[in-house]
Amino acid sequence: DSGVTQTPKHLITATGQRVTLRCSPRSGDLSVYWYQQSLDQGLQFLIQYYNGEERAKGNILERFSAQQFPDLHSELNLSSLELGDSALYFCASSVEGGQGWDTQYFGPGTRLTVL
Amino acid sequence: DQQVKQNSPSLSVQEGRISILNCDYTNSMFDYFLWYKKYPAEGPTFLISISSIKDKNEDGRFTVFLNKSAKHLSLHIVPSQPGDSAVYFCAARPVGTYGGATNKLIFGTGTLLAVQP
Repeated sequence: DSGVTQTPKHLITATGQRVTLRCSPRSGDLSVYWYQQSLDQGLQFLIQYYNGEERAKGNILERFSAQQFPDLHSELNLSSLELGDSALYFCASSVEGGQGWDTQYFGPGTRLTVL
Repeated sequence: DQQVKQNSPSLSVQEGRISILNCDYTNSMFDYFLWYKKYPAEGPTFLISISSIKDKNEDGRFTVFLNKSAKHLSLHIVPSQPGDSAVYFCAARPVGTYGGATNKLIFGTGTLLAVQP
Protein backbone atom coordinates (compact mmCIF):
# COMPACT_ATOMS: atom_id res chain seq x y z
CA ASP A 1 0.00 0.00 0.00
CA SER A 2 1.59 3.25 -1.23
CA GLY A 3 -0.54 5.47 0.99
CA VAL A 4 -2.09 7.21 -2.03
CA THR A 5 -5.82 6.63 -2.36
CA GLN A 6 -7.98 7.07 -5.42
CA THR A 7 -11.73 6.94 -5.79
CA PRO A 8 -13.65 5.49 -7.43
CA LYS A 9 -11.86 2.31 -8.52
CA HIS A 10 -14.08 1.89 -11.56
CA LEU A 11 -16.27 4.31 -13.44
CA ILE A 12 -18.54 3.54 -16.38
CA THR A 13 -20.22 6.39 -18.14
CA ALA A 14 -21.51 7.51 -21.52
CA THR A 15 -20.06 9.78 -24.17
CA GLY A 16 -20.66 13.45 -23.55
CA GLN A 17 -20.80 13.05 -19.78
CA ARG A 18 -18.59 14.60 -17.11
CA VAL A 19 -16.82 12.75 -14.30
CA THR A 20 -14.61 13.63 -11.35
CA LEU A 21 -11.74 11.47 -10.15
CA ARG A 22 -10.42 11.99 -6.66
CA CYS A 23 -6.97 11.49 -5.17
CA SER A 24 -5.66 11.76 -1.63
CA PRO A 25 -1.86 11.96 -1.44
CA ARG A 26 0.35 10.33 1.17
CA SER A 27 0.44 12.16 4.46
CA GLY A 28 2.97 14.97 4.22
CA ASP A 29 3.28 14.96 0.44
CA LEU A 30 2.75 18.35 -1.17
CA SER A 31 2.86 17.38 -4.85
CA VAL A 32 0.18 15.51 -6.76
CA TYR A 33 0.54 14.20 -10.30
CA TRP A 34 -2.03 12.80 -12.71
CA TYR A 35 -1.18 10.25 -15.41
CA GLN A 36 -3.30 8.54 -18.04
CA GLN A 37 -2.62 5.02 -19.26
CA SER A 38 -4.50 4.00 -22.39
CA LEU A 39 -4.55 0.41 -23.66
CA ASP A 40 -1.03 -0.92 -24.35
CA GLN A 41 0.47 2.49 -23.73
CA GLY A 42 2.83 3.84 -21.15
CA LEU A 43 1.67 6.30 -18.57
CA GLN A 44 1.21 9.78 -20.04
CA PHE A 45 1.81 12.72 -17.73
CA LEU A 46 -1.18 15.05 -17.54
CA ILE A 47 -0.56 17.63 -14.82
CA GLN A 48 1.25 18.32 -11.54
CA TYR A 49 0.13 20.41 -8.59
CA TYR A 50 2.32 21.54 -5.75
CA ASN A 51 0.74 22.83 -2.56
CA GLY A 52 -2.37 24.00 -4.38
CA GLU A 53 -0.71 25.53 -7.41
CA GLU A 54 -0.21 24.14 -10.88
CA ARG A 55 3.47 23.26 -11.31
CA ALA A 56 3.73 21.47 -14.66
CA LYS A 57 1.44 20.54 -17.51
CA GLY A 58 1.68 17.70 -20.00
CA ASN A 59 -0.55 16.77 -22.92
CA ILE A 60 -3.74 17.43 -21.02
CA LEU A 61 -6.79 18.04 -23.16
CA GLU A 62 -8.74 21.27 -22.75
CA ARG A 63 -11.77 19.16 -21.77
CA PHE A 64 -9.79 18.00 -18.72
CA SER A 65 -9.03 20.11 -15.68
CA ALA A 66 -7.62 19.50 -12.25
CA GLN A 67 -7.19 21.23 -8.94
CA GLN A 68 -5.57 20.67 -5.60
CA PHE A 69 -7.45 21.72 -2.51
CA PRO A 70 -6.14 23.24 0.77
CA ASP A 71 -6.19 19.78 2.39
CA LEU A 72 -3.94 18.69 -0.54
CA HIS A 73 -6.35 16.22 -2.07
CA SER A 74 -6.77 16.61 -5.81
CA GLU A 75 -9.56 16.14 -8.31
CA LEU A 76 -9.32 15.50 -12.03
CA ASN A 77 -12.39 16.59 -13.97
CA LEU A 78 -13.05 15.07 -17.37
CA SER A 79 -15.86 16.56 -19.44
CA SER A 80 -17.52 15.96 -22.82
CA LEU A 81 -16.20 12.44 -22.60
CA GLU A 82 -15.28 10.53 -25.74
CA LEU A 83 -14.70 6.83 -26.32
CA GLY A 84 -10.96 7.49 -26.53
CA ASP A 85 -10.91 8.80 -22.97
CA SER A 86 -11.38 5.26 -21.71
CA ALA A 87 -8.19 4.55 -19.77
CA LEU A 88 -6.62 4.00 -16.38
CA TYR A 89 -6.02 7.26 -14.57
CA PHE A 90 -3.30 7.23 -11.94
CA CYS A 91 -2.56 9.74 -9.29
CA ALA A 92 0.88 9.94 -7.69
CA SER A 93 2.28 12.05 -4.89
CA SER A 94 5.70 13.09 -3.71
CA VAL A 95 7.08 15.16 -0.89
CA GLU A 96 8.09 18.20 -2.91
CA GLY A 97 8.28 17.63 -6.64
CA GLY A 98 11.21 19.88 -7.22
CA GLN A 99 14.84 19.75 -8.23
CA GLY A 100 16.23 16.98 -6.12
CA TRP A 101 15.26 13.36 -6.52
CA ASP A 102 11.77 12.90 -5.17
CA THR A 103 10.13 9.50 -5.49
CA GLN A 104 6.59 9.45 -6.81
CA TYR A 105 4.22 7.05 -5.08
CA PHE A 106 1.28 5.89 -7.15
CA GLY A 107 -2.27 5.14 -6.20
CA PRO A 108 -4.11 2.05 -7.49
CA GLY A 109 -5.76 3.98 -10.31
CA THR A 110 -9.29 4.64 -11.51
CA ARG A 111 -10.45 2.66 -14.53
CA LEU A 112 -12.71 4.83 -16.67
CA THR A 113 -14.86 3.21 -19.33
CA VAL A 114 -16.76 5.46 -21.71
CA LEU A 115 -19.56 3.71 -23.63
CA ASP B 1 6.86 11.27 -30.31
CA GLN B 2 7.84 8.44 -27.96
CA GLN B 3 10.94 9.67 -26.13
CA VAL B 4 11.31 6.58 -23.95
CA LYS B 5 10.97 3.23 -25.68
CA GLN B 6 10.73 -0.32 -24.44
CA ASN B 7 10.89 -2.46 -27.56
CA SER B 8 10.25 -5.81 -25.91
CA PRO B 9 6.63 -6.17 -24.82
CA SER B 10 7.41 -9.37 -22.92
CA LEU B 11 10.23 -11.46 -21.49
CA SER B 12 10.23 -14.96 -19.99
CA VAL B 13 13.01 -16.12 -17.67
CA GLN B 14 13.64 -19.16 -15.50
CA GLU B 15 13.70 -18.73 -11.74
CA GLY B 16 17.24 -18.13 -10.47
CA ARG B 17 18.50 -16.77 -13.79
CA ILE B 18 19.17 -13.15 -14.72
CA SER B 19 16.42 -10.95 -16.14
CA ILE B 20 17.55 -8.07 -18.34
CA LEU B 21 15.01 -5.42 -19.25
CA ASN B 22 15.96 -2.79 -21.79
CA CYS B 23 14.96 0.77 -22.52
CA ASP B 24 16.09 3.34 -25.10
CA TYR B 25 15.59 7.07 -25.03
CA THR B 26 15.81 9.67 -27.75
CA ASN B 27 16.23 12.88 -25.79
CA SER B 28 19.38 13.77 -23.89
CA MET B 29 17.66 16.31 -21.68
CA PHE B 30 16.82 13.89 -18.88
CA ASP B 31 18.43 14.13 -15.47
CA TYR B 32 17.08 10.97 -13.85
CA PHE B 33 16.09 7.57 -15.14
CA LEU B 34 14.12 5.03 -13.20
CA TRP B 35 12.25 1.77 -13.16
CA TYR B 36 8.80 1.06 -11.82
CA LYS B 37 7.18 -2.34 -11.35
CA LYS B 38 3.44 -2.85 -11.73
CA TYR B 39 1.26 -5.76 -10.65
CA PRO B 40 -2.27 -6.15 -12.07
CA ALA B 41 -4.89 -3.94 -10.42
CA GLU B 42 -2.21 -1.96 -8.57
CA GLY B 43 -0.39 1.28 -9.23
CA PRO B 44 3.26 1.32 -10.31
CA THR B 45 5.79 0.86 -7.51
CA PHE B 46 9.15 2.59 -7.59
CA LEU B 47 12.08 0.17 -7.89
CA ILE B 48 15.33 2.00 -8.55
CA SER B 49 16.64 5.21 -10.06
CA ILE B 50 19.88 6.49 -11.56
CA SER B 51 21.14 9.99 -12.06
CA SER B 52 22.29 10.93 -15.55
CA ILE B 53 25.78 11.57 -14.19
CA LYS B 54 26.19 7.94 -13.08
CA ASP B 55 26.46 4.75 -15.10
CA LYS B 56 25.39 2.18 -12.52
CA ASN B 57 23.23 1.94 -9.43
CA GLU B 58 22.63 -1.17 -7.40
CA ASP B 59 20.00 -2.06 -4.81
CA GLY B 60 19.96 -5.66 -3.67
CA ARG B 61 19.00 -7.90 -6.57
CA PHE B 62 18.33 -4.93 -8.84
CA THR B 63 20.98 -3.06 -10.82
CA VAL B 64 20.35 -0.32 -13.33
CA PHE B 65 22.94 0.49 -16.01
CA LEU B 66 23.00 3.72 -18.01
CA ASN B 67 24.88 3.99 -21.31
CA LYS B 68 24.64 7.64 -22.26
CA SER B 69 26.44 7.35 -25.58
CA ALA B 70 23.97 4.69 -26.71
CA LYS B 71 21.03 6.39 -24.96
CA HIS B 72 20.27 3.03 -23.40
CA LEU B 73 19.10 1.97 -19.95
CA SER B 74 18.85 -1.57 -18.63
CA LEU B 75 17.59 -3.24 -15.47
CA HIS B 76 19.21 -6.45 -14.28
CA ILE B 77 17.46 -8.68 -11.77
CA VAL B 78 19.65 -11.38 -10.24
CA PRO B 79 18.49 -13.92 -9.27
CA SER B 80 15.00 -13.70 -10.71
CA GLN B 81 12.13 -14.90 -8.52
CA PRO B 82 8.53 -15.79 -9.42
CA GLY B 83 7.37 -12.78 -7.36
CA ASP B 84 9.23 -10.55 -9.80
CA SER B 85 6.64 -11.39 -12.48
CA ALA B 86 5.07 -8.03 -13.32
CA VAL B 87 5.10 -5.24 -15.90
CA TYR B 88 8.25 -3.14 -15.69
CA PHE B 89 8.17 0.48 -16.83
CA CYS B 90 11.21 2.50 -17.66
CA ALA B 91 10.80 6.25 -17.06
CA ALA B 92 12.83 9.41 -17.38
CA ARG B 93 12.58 12.82 -15.82
CA PRO B 94 13.12 15.75 -18.19
CA VAL B 95 15.24 18.61 -16.98
CA GLY B 96 12.62 21.08 -15.81
CA THR B 97 11.81 24.55 -16.98
CA TYR B 98 10.81 26.20 -13.70
CA GLY B 99 14.49 26.28 -12.75
CA GLY B 100 14.28 22.52 -12.47
CA ALA B 101 11.27 22.55 -10.21
CA THR B 102 9.23 19.83 -11.83
CA ASN B 103 9.19 16.12 -11.29
CA LYS B 104 7.03 14.90 -14.18
CA LEU B 105 8.02 11.56 -15.68
CA ILE B 106 8.04 10.23 -19.25
CA PHE B 107 7.22 6.51 -19.30
CA GLY B 108 7.92 3.71 -21.73
CA THR B 109 5.17 1.28 -22.70
CA GLY B 110 6.32 -1.44 -20.34
CA THR B 111 7.73 -4.99 -20.55
CA LEU B 112 5.84 -7.91 -19.06
CA LEU B 113 8.31 -10.13 -17.20
CA ALA B 114 7.29 -13.72 -16.49
CA VAL B 115 9.59 -15.68 -14.17
CA GLN B 116 8.95 -19.40 -14.53
CA PRO B 117 9.43 -21.60 -11.42
